[in-house]
Amino acid sequence: AQSVTQLDSQVPVFEEAPVELRCNYSSSVSVYLFWYVQYPNQGLQLLLKYLSGSTLVESINGFEAEFNKSQTSFHLRKPSVHISDTAEYFCAVSGQGGSEKLVFGKGTKLTVNP
Amino acid sequence: DVKVTQSSRYLVKRTGEKVFLECVQDMDHENMFWYRQDPGLGLRLIYFSYDVKMKEKGDIPEGYSVSREKKERFSLILESASTNQTSMYLCASSHSAGKLFFGSGTQLSVL
Repeated sequence: AQSVTQLDSQVPVFEEAPVELRCNYSSSVSVYLFWYVQYPNQGLQLLLKYLSGSTLVESINGFEAEFNKSQTSFHLRKPSVHISDTAEYFCAVSGQGGSEKLVFGKGTKLTVNP
Repeated sequence: DVKVTQSSRYLVKRTGEKVFLECVQDMDHENMFWYRQDPGLGLRLIYFSYDVKMKEKGDIPEGYSVSREKKERFSLILESASTNQTSMYLCASSHSAGKLFFGSGTQLSVL
């Protein structure tokens, strides 16, 4: 079985500052890893995913995450955040065995202040 | 544009009532899921389905059941609603690994 730990429940930052949202996972099998974002009063949307290949994956709005197998981590980073990045971010993991059941972390609320 | 539609945005029910939450997707996805979202607990999987008339229990199925008679529709049923089932319920569907499309959610209050 897989599990996900998001180490910070809330992260406040100022606009244009860098940010890192931490995610660690636990699994006895090879995994796929994901970050989802939930803007206020909306459903979740896929932000980025790691399935295989390059360990650094990027989203279209400037976020990136790096899969680190030895540290079982998949931290999300952005070098300069905007007010519009204020949202809740969820890390998720699934096994590679064909099952598409995702296990989510508890979420990190990112608040970007002017 | 892909779409997952949940029938109600807000719902208020009384303890003991039978509650139906409906979800429809227009993407011909095989896989559909029901999660509940609670502050500080993230998303927890209630039930999922990989095909019509097929269902599997997730992590917290107690007090819930599901129905999938047609590919595009996945219903969550609370047989006898209780106050601890007050929550945000999220439906999702998928075709490929990990890329779930979510509905906007149903905020259920059980009084």
